[in-house]
Amino acid sequence: NAGVTQTPKFQVLKTGQSMTLQCAQDMNHEYMSWYRQDPGMGLRLIHYSVGAGITDQGEVPNGYNVSRSTTEDFPLRLLSAAPSQTSVYFCASTPGGEWETQYFGPGTRLLVL
Amino acid sequence: GIQVEQSPPDLILQEGANSTLRCNFSDSVNNLQWFHQNPWGQLINLFYIPSGTKQNGRLSATTVATERYSLLYISSSQTTDSGVYFCAVGMAGTASKLTFGTGTRLQVTL
Repeated sequence: NAGVTQTPKFQVLKTGQSMTLQCAQDMNHEYMSWYRQDPGMGLRLIHYSVGAGITDQGEVPNGYNVSRSTTEDFPLRLLSAAPSQTSVYFCASTPGGEWETQYFGPGTRLLVL
Repeated sequence: GIQVEQSPPDLILQEGANSTLRCNFSDSVNNLQWFHQNPWGQLINLFYIPSGTKQNGRLSATTVATERYSLLYISSSQTTDSGVYFCAVGMAGTASKLTFGTGTRLQVTL
């Protein structure tokens, strides 16, 4: 298994541009999440999904959209990038049920100029 | 929402020393996990431990849910233990919704 994969690894955007961060998992996990990590801080939840077709907002959802059309994929869309969205973005998945251990992808480092 | 506090914020150890990291949380939780973020940024799950004690090699963790804290013990530390240790908590059935602490940065020196 590849586990949780994220692309790209690094991206530079100009203010106002849009882009999609990709996340995929091959473990047939029901639950998936997106977090952002800012310097010196812990991770903050952006959006999450408890299954295909079901998404909900986390702590810091503004400026981001998600969709979950398949169990495997959970892309994160930045609608109009702002410098405040400069961060490292992590995708995670969890089997669900009583098995709630989260597995993280390697992260995407985003710089918005 | 739930508040998660970790202490100490920074820790420097010599190789071979032992350490205890603490995580306090402000409300009842049913999900508590410890993660290690290595110097390359990868997050690795160490323990899923909403209550009780678990051990994995040189690492062990104890959560006292009724008193709202968890401890991570690192024994005989090695340079590869360096990085940031995060505690994250959540409510039952919220496997995707973890609240993270700000972490303990550990540096193990030779």
